[in-house]
Amino acid sequence: QVQLVQSGAEMKKPGASVKLSCKASGYTFSDFYIHCVRQAPGQGLEWMGWINPKSGGTKYAEKFQGRVTMTRDTSISTAYMELSSLRSDDTAKYFCARERVAAANDDAFDIWGQGTVVTVSS
Amino acid sequence: EIVMTQSPATLSVSPGERATLSCRASQSIGSNLAWYQQKPGQAPRLLIYGASTRATGIPATFSGSGSGTQFTLTISSLQSEDFAFYFCQQYNHWRTFGQGTKLEIK
Repeated sequence: QVQLVQSGAEMKKPGASVKLSCKASGYTFSDFYIHCVRQAPGQGLEWMGWINPKSGGTKYAEKFQGRVTMTRDTSISTAYMELSSLRSDDTAKYFCARERVAAANDDAFDIWGQGTVVTVSS
Repeated sequence: EIVMTQSPATLSVSPGERATLSCRASQSIGSNLAWYQQKPGQAPRLLIYGASTRATGIPATFSGSGSGTQFTLTISSLQSEDFAFYFCQQYNHWRTFGQGTKLEIK
């Protein structure tokens, strides 16, 4: 079945970087944009950016410009999100999600990964 | 940035009754709006896209309406599994989410 499986929980110190993975299966990875969304404990959802798996093109929310990098490896159908200069308020669950419509980046998210908890603490 | 505002923050409804959740956009987004359901510890699940189209496998008890800046999610005859958090999301310009509505059992 169509699914996104994310890497395991991470614990980092302030100032460090974290790189999370999101492995797609059940569909053609290159056909659908992948987005990253985070959710701080007890809070709402915050969109961070997207990557076009076919071209590698990216777009990031202004808040994360300069700190976030999304990449992909099409040979293993995996997208990555790296967040640098971590702070305590980056503690959150990070989700990857698939665009509903192929080759589009202006639609809803129909498939979500299970999420990866990142804890930033000294 | 387009700001999405949901109301109420918490909605208490009895099983079997109807729930009406609202979402307002700070500027017109046409019909580029989705609704998601999220249960504790789980990822969000797409319910509605295009403001009113149910996603695959979503029961007809869920319906969406609205366009422009005002949107509504209606859940008729609430079942126990419907009590959860609900988020709206605009995708007219990048992506932003509302802060969510907690639907709880009265």
